Amino acid sequence: GAVVSQHPSWVICKSGTSVKIECRSLDFQATTMFWYRQFPKQSLMLMATSNEGSKATYEQGVEKDKFLINHASLTLSTLTVTSAHPEDSSFYICSAVNRDRGRGGYTFGSGTRLTVV
Amino acid sequence: DQQVKQNSPSLSVQEGRISILNCDYTNSMFDYFLWYKKYPAEGPTFLISISSIKDKNEDGRFTVFLNKSAKHLSLHIVPSQPGDSAVYFCAAGGQYYGNKLVFGAGTILRVKS
Repeated sequence: GAVVSQHPSWVICKSGTSVKIECRSLDFQATTMFWYRQFPKQSLMLMATSNEGSKATYEQGVEKDKFLINHASLTLSTLTVTSAHPEDSSFYICSAVNRDRGRGGYTFGSGTRLTVV
Repeated sequence: DQQVKQNSPSLSVQEGRISILNCDYTNSMFDYFLWYKKYPAEGPTFLISISSIKDKNEDGRFTVFLNKSAKHLSLHIVPSQPGDSAVYFCAAGGQYYGNKLVFGAGTILRVKS
């Protein structure tokens, strides 16, 4: 079945540094990937849509200069949290769209727990 | 503006009984709906979906019912097992939204043995 690998699964960084999170589709090509953020006891909030070879589309209220998204290939999208601050601490999840699987084709990564100290 | 609502934050069910998780939506432009299961510190896993042209879809112990006139869908799990204990998210999508999914807030299901 479709597998999406997300790395790292957790990271602790100092305030002011940058952190990169990778999302890879292992056995299918994903022209579209999504990045979500989940706060404790809340739903998944879509941050941006990442399209291979083009600029990401950010949701309203998401700072594109802070959350840099790169989708350089059909199997890899990266999210870089720049100049991280404690309020950026959250659970970040990516999702890749596998069109061959129809409506069940949104495969999620295992998530990254970011803690900024 | 919550377009997808899961009004029950939690549900507790005895093992072997039926679990019914509910979801309401406000936008008639949604044309398909999905249910995901999520464990803590993990990504959601797909359970079952339904297109707006159907009113029922069944897959093993999981059945999703869609009532378009009421803008309501439900996930039935029969029989419930302790391993079903997780957070269940309802999600909706549609051509209007491109590929994007809109998620509900989730319902914590606890199946007691």
